[in-house]
Amino acid sequence: AQTVTQSQPEMSVQEAETVTLSCTYDTSESDYYLFWYKQPPSRQMILVIRQEAYKQQNATENRFSVNFQKAAKSFSLKISDSQLGDAAMYFCAYLQGAQKLVFGQGTRLTINP
Amino acid sequence: DAGITQSPRHKVTETGTPVTLRCHQTENHRYMYWYRQDPGHGLRLIHYSYGVKDTDKGEVSDGYSVSRSKTEDFLLTLESATSSQTSVYFCAISWGSGYTFGSGTRLTVV
Repeated sequence: AQTVTQSQPEMSVQEAETVTLSCTYDTSESDYYLFWYKQPPSRQMILVIRQEAYKQQNATENRFSVNFQKAAKSFSLKISDSQLGDAAMYFCAYLQGAQKLVFGQGTRLTINP
Repeated sequence: DAGITQSPRHKVTETGTPVTLRCHQTENHRYMYWYRQDPGHGLRLIHYSYGVKDTDKGEVSDGYSVSRSKTEDFLLTLESATSSQTSVYFCAISWGSGYTFGSGTRLTVV
């Protein structure tokens, strides 16, 4: 079964600095999708960024970018110019066949003013 | 999120009582899911549905049952609630590689 691992339960960063959240996954498939979701205290699950495995180019969304290393099965999220509103739980997720999302354990990100 | 609603948003129930959580979508999507969220575990799949009356088990299905008699509704039932089922429950719908989550139900079993 596919698994997703986030090895950093908590991270903190100074406002305006850059932070990288780590994610590794295990799969034998060649085509799949990877996601980062943000969950603020409101509990809502918000899609931050998505990566298709067949695309070598790393996805970016404004201040959010990923470093996708397919051979190493690594999918890290970089947040540039961190803002107070970025404080949240962040989940890495893998989409496998039959449309099922598999989540990592989550990383709680704190932004220090 | 627009197109998917969960009810109730909060519920406290006693051990041994039956509980049903409802997920309703207006998007007419085929796939619907129930996840539970617990500290240190992220979200784990309980059950999912790929059509009316078509359901399958997920990673943590013990103690839960589901039903889908209409495309728009997916029900999660705890036949006899236990304290280990205290959790936050999320419903989701999907299409292709897109997913939308409901706002969650916080269930406390006392």
